[in-house]
Amino acid sequence: DTAVSQTPKYLVTQMGNDKSIKCEQNLGHDTMYWYKQDSKKFLKIMFSYNNKELIINETVPNRFSPKSPDKAHLNLHINSLELGDSAVYFCASSQGQTSHREQYFGPGTRLTVT
Amino acid sequence: RKEVEQDPGPFNVPEGATVAFNCTYSNSASQSFFWYRQDCRKEPKLLMSVYSSGNEDGRFTAQLNRASQYISLLIRDSKLSDSATYLCVVMDSSYKLIFGSGTRLLVRP
Repeated sequence: DTAVSQTPKYLVTQMGNDKSIKCEQNLGHDTMYWYKQDSKKFLKIMFSYNNKELIINETVPNRFSPKSPDKAHLNLHINSLELGDSAVYFCASSQGQTSHREQYFGPGTRLTVT
Repeated sequence: RKEVEQDPGPFNVPEGATVAFNCTYSNSASQSFFWYRQDCRKEPKLLMSVYSSGNEDGRFTAQLNRASQYISLLIRDSKLSDSATYLCVVMDSSYKLIFGSGTRLLVRP
């Protein structure tokens, strides 16, 4: 019954590897997001998709590539992982993207790059 | 200057106390305001939206002062279960949520 789910929950990998994180929502929302929460707890938006179209693309290295195969899924692929990529990555979804639309967050993926 | 600034705390209060958190934001074009709650090692969850006239939800009261670019959250009759990090969140003109780094609250028995 989880509304927004992410896999894996934990990911430990070495520098230089390529990894993917998957996100699915069963709320029927049309907008999905990826956020990064670093060690200082700042939560920052990375990408947003509305109806499978990219609408927000923050200043994120090209090594990060989101992909939305359908409205219910938004995956994040990361190439050539670096130490600084270690963080918690949260997926979120909302119905529409305008003001006062609550965003529902997934449980997070804790990525550790060694 | 950070876009959304909060006192990191922690605020350590006894059960039953009243506690207030403040937040300032730098972008005067910000259009919507929220308080989210994040428990340790969990995802953020919406606590309440903040409306211009101020609003209340049970023990929680939120206030917005657009002129001063200031948002507050008041928690009355604190419960142990209120222990968490409270995130001040502002939506900018392009509908992006900008999060503060959070204020940590510890409610002790």
